[in-house]
Amino acid sequence: GAGVSQTPSNKVTEKGKYVELRCDPISGHTALYWYRQSLGQGPEFLIYFQGTGAADDSGLPNDRFFAVRPEGSVSTLKIQRTERGDSAVYLCASSLTGTVDLETQYFGPGTRLLVL
Amino acid sequence: QKEVEQDPGPLSVPEGAIVSLNCTYSNSAFQYFMWYRQYSRKGPELLMYTYSSGNKEDGRFTAQVDKSSKYISLFIRDSQPSDSATYLCAMLIQGAQKLVFGQGTRLTINP
Repeated sequence: GAGVSQTPSNKVTEKGKYVELRCDPISGHTALYWYRQSLGQGPEFLIYFQGTGAADDSGLPNDRFFAVRPEGSVSTLKIQRTERGDSAVYLCASSLTGTVDLETQYFGPGTRLLVL
Repeated sequence: QKEVEQDPGPLSVPEGAIVSLNCTYSNSAFQYFMWYRQYSRKGPELLMYTYSSGNKEDGRFTAQVDKSSKYISLFIRDSQPSDSATYLCAMLIQGAQKLVFGQGTRLTINP
């Protein structure tokens, strides 16, 4: 596709449930990033993939959060035992190589997660 | 204290006005500075980037960096209603890939 796509666009779940959020990066982009944007805040880094491997997962808040990118393209962010505080917009971005300084990260529209 | 501080606004100005948006930062390791624009219910899109102190101009937009003061600015000249959005500053440490964002300033340009 022309840009980064994310599904679903909206997700409502109940506290304690498991959710999966999907990201399709721009075709050919090696690097993929996940950020979380709470209401009225700027995005906060969660994790960054170089190909299939997580190059930096220092932003994952706790072990309920996990992300995979098994074939180096699509990525899934998984949240176990969801809490109300997990409610936010989850943004995915991709860039061509992830190894060059100042390489543009292209963002998707985000998945709006609401935990009731 | 957050690494990057940005006044959330909201900021409302008449069409044609000059807009000034600012961020301060505390981490001296930041080497690259970016401005993103985010429309409602959309992802951020890169507007401008710079890596040295001084000014960089692109059309109606000017980015300014003062590393000695740890202060960056974005100026918008001849502002248009279509400029109404949230503006996010973002910063990078050299060799790192994770962007560190400010809170974002919500800007409205009134016709």
